[in-house]
Amino acid sequence: EDQVTQSPEALRLQEGESSSLNCSYTVSGLRGLFWYRQDPGKGPEFLFTLYSAGEEKEKERLKATLTKKESFLHITAPKPEDSATYLCAVQAQGGSEKLVFGKGTKLTVNP
Amino acid sequence: GAGVSQSPSNKVTEKGKDVELRCDPISGHTALYWYRQSLGQGLEFLIYFQGNSAPDKSGLPSDRFSAERTGGSVSTLTIQRTQQEDSAVYLCASRLYSNQPQHFGDGTRLSIL
Repeated sequence: EDQVTQSPEALRLQEGESSSLNCSYTVSGLRGLFWYRQDPGKGPEFLFTLYSAGEEKEKERLKATLTKKESFLHITAPKPEDSATYLCAVQAQGGSEKLVFGKGTKLTVNP
Repeated sequence: GAGVSQSPSNKVTEKGKDVELRCDPISGHTALYWYRQSLGQGLEFLIYFQGNSAPDKSGLPSDRFSAERTGGSVSTLTIQRTQQEDSAVYLCASRLYSNQPQHFGDGTRLSIL
C-alpha cells in the first residue's frame, strides 16, 4: 500500500530562520511527487511536481528535492506569509490517478 | 482564469438526511477528482472521473456515497442517509492532461448534527 509520512507535524520558525520539511514515501513505482500549500479554509494550492531522484525545483523561498525514499521542502529566510500547512502527495505508476497524501506539516513563521 | 468552484461552501444537516455537493471544474479539464479531508487526517481519495466515466471508485467508503459527472463538466457527490462520521471537508480537483497537477477547489465543509 502506498504511504506518505510527513515530519514534523508542526514547525515554528522566526522570520528569516531557514529550515526543511520532510516527506517520506513508499510507493509501488513513483509516477510523481507533489507539494501543495494549504491555507486555513482553502483548498490545497499546487507548488511543485518532482518525477525522479535527484530532481530539484525552486520557487521564491521554496526549494523541493527528491530522493528514492523521501522529499524535502527547504524554506530559505521564511516570511510570516509563508505560514501554512504544507502537504506532500505521491502518485503511483500503473494507471492509478489518485494522489496519496501525507497529513501535512503546519508551518508558523513569527515576525 | 476561473478555478475549481464548489458549492455550497458550508452545509449543516441532520443525521439521516441526504446531501448533494457540487463541483464545477476548470473549463476544459477532462479529469475530475473528489477527496475528503477529516480533522487530523490527510486528504483521502474518493473517486476519479475521466470525462463522464469513473474508472476508479475505490475510495468511496460505502454504498451511501455516489457521484456522477455530466457533459464532461459538472460533478455531484451524493451522500445518502448521512452519519456523523461523514462530517468532513469534501474537496474537488481537476486537471487537463495526465502529466499536469491536480488543481483544487476550496471545498464544502459538511457538518452532520
